[in-house]
Amino acid sequence: GAGVSQSPSNKVTEKGKDVELRCDPISGHTALYWYRQSLGQGLEFLIYFQGNSAPDKSGLPSDRFSAERTGGSVSTLTIQRTQQEDSAVYLCASSKGGQYNSPLHFGNGTRLTVT
Amino acid sequence: QKEVEQNSGPLSVPEGAIASLNCTYSDRVSQSFFWYRQYSGKSPELIMSIYSNGDKEDGRFTAQLNKASQYVSLLIRDSQPSDSATYLCAVRTNAGKSTFGDGTTLTVKP
Repeated sequence: GAGVSQSPSNKVTEKGKDVELRCDPISGHTALYWYRQSLGQGLEFLIYFQGNSAPDKSGLPSDRFSAERTGGSVSTLTIQRTQQEDSAVYLCASSKGGQYNSPLHFGNGTRLTVT
Repeated sequence: QKEVEQNSGPLSVPEGAIASLNCTYSDRVSQSFFWYRQYSGKSPELIMSIYSNGDKEDGRFTAQLNKASQYVSLLIRDSQPSDSATYLCAVRTNAGKSTFGDGTTLTVKP
């Protein structure tokens, strides 16, 4: 595709519900990243994929968070039993991967609000 | 100590002035350094990348890297009101992970 696509763009959910956020990276990009950005804050690293494997899951805040990537393309970030502190913008980015000089290209994000 | 630290803002400069944004990082094996601009309510977009010590210029923007000091900076010459945004420094390691600083918010006053 022309750019990184994320869906939904907005999600409002009740506390305790599960949510799934989707990311479709730029075609041919092997690396995929998830970040979280709370209002007025910087980007918090969550997880990084190279192909279908995740060399670095160190940023996942708790075991309620999980992510997978299939076919080296689409990725899904799942948050179980959502809490109000999960409210943030979740940003996905992709890069060519394996190339140190490949920058990240970001999607428009999913704004998650937990009520 | 944070992996990537940026000078605390907000930073305000008059139109036409030089804006200087600074960033330090802790991981000595970091390979690649990027500056992203983020407008309010938007996603980050790449402005500059730098990989070798020294200066790299692109239009009104100059990135400077000093690996010995673990320091990277961004200079914006002839600042314009449209440059008002949050600037994010990102550091990428050999393993591929990119870590961002908290950002510096720049306001350019007409």
